[in-house]
Amino acid sequence: ETGVTQTPRHLVMGMTNKKSLKCEQHLGHNAMYWYKQSAKKPLELMFVYNFKEQTENNSVPSRFSPECPNSSHLFLHLHTLQPEDSALYLCASSTPGDNEQFFGPGTRLTVL
Amino acid sequence: AQKITQTQPGMFVQEKEAVTLDCTYDTSDPSYGLFWYKQPSSGEMIFLIYQGSYDQQNATEGRYSLNFQKARKSANLVISASQLGDSAMYFCAMNTGFQKLVFGTGTRLLVSP
Repeated sequence: ETGVTQTPRHLVMGMTNKKSLKCEQHLGHNAMYWYKQSAKKPLELMFVYNFKEQTENNSVPSRFSPECPNSSHLFLHLHTLQPEDSALYLCASSTPGDNEQFFGPGTRLTVL
Repeated sequence: AQKITQTQPGMFVQEKEAVTLDCTYDTSDPSYGLFWYKQPSSGEMIFLIYQGSYDQQNATEGRYSLNFQKARKSANLVISASQLGDSAMYFCAMNTGFQKLVFGTGTRLLVSP
């Protein structure tokens, strides 16, 4: 595997379900990000991790819970989601201080 | 507040022609960076080009160039010699703080044979 991978690519869940999104980067980066892309809205930064420590939480509701066990892996744990949380969730990584962020293909989430 | 505006929801261009995608930005920070990303239907955001606010020259990367007009706060992307594979969503973005990227709403480009 190369670059940034995300699993699953598609997820359908009910509002009472608990699920997790996984992101893995094979680029040797130490910064990882979660973004949300809703229809007809700009990409929104959700969380930033640097060297496994959360350094940014962009006022994200607590029903989204990130986890970064090491610099290569990032999870987004989901529980009690709402239909308006349906979106494409993109993970990215970078070297801290570098301008370029490398994105994964995203997980298309549908909340019923 | 920092903001990126892309006023063209969709653009059409014929293969081999050049196309300009518009982007204007708003920030009071003297130091910032401007980015263009391409998002094919597969979903991943592909980095295309970067321009720093203090860069004197317009950035170029192969067929991509960034027309940076600082006084007008615009950072238009020019794609020369369009190819069918250029059909995608294109996003302009700005970083105004450490690691914080603000994105525009995007422009869908369709390249026809």
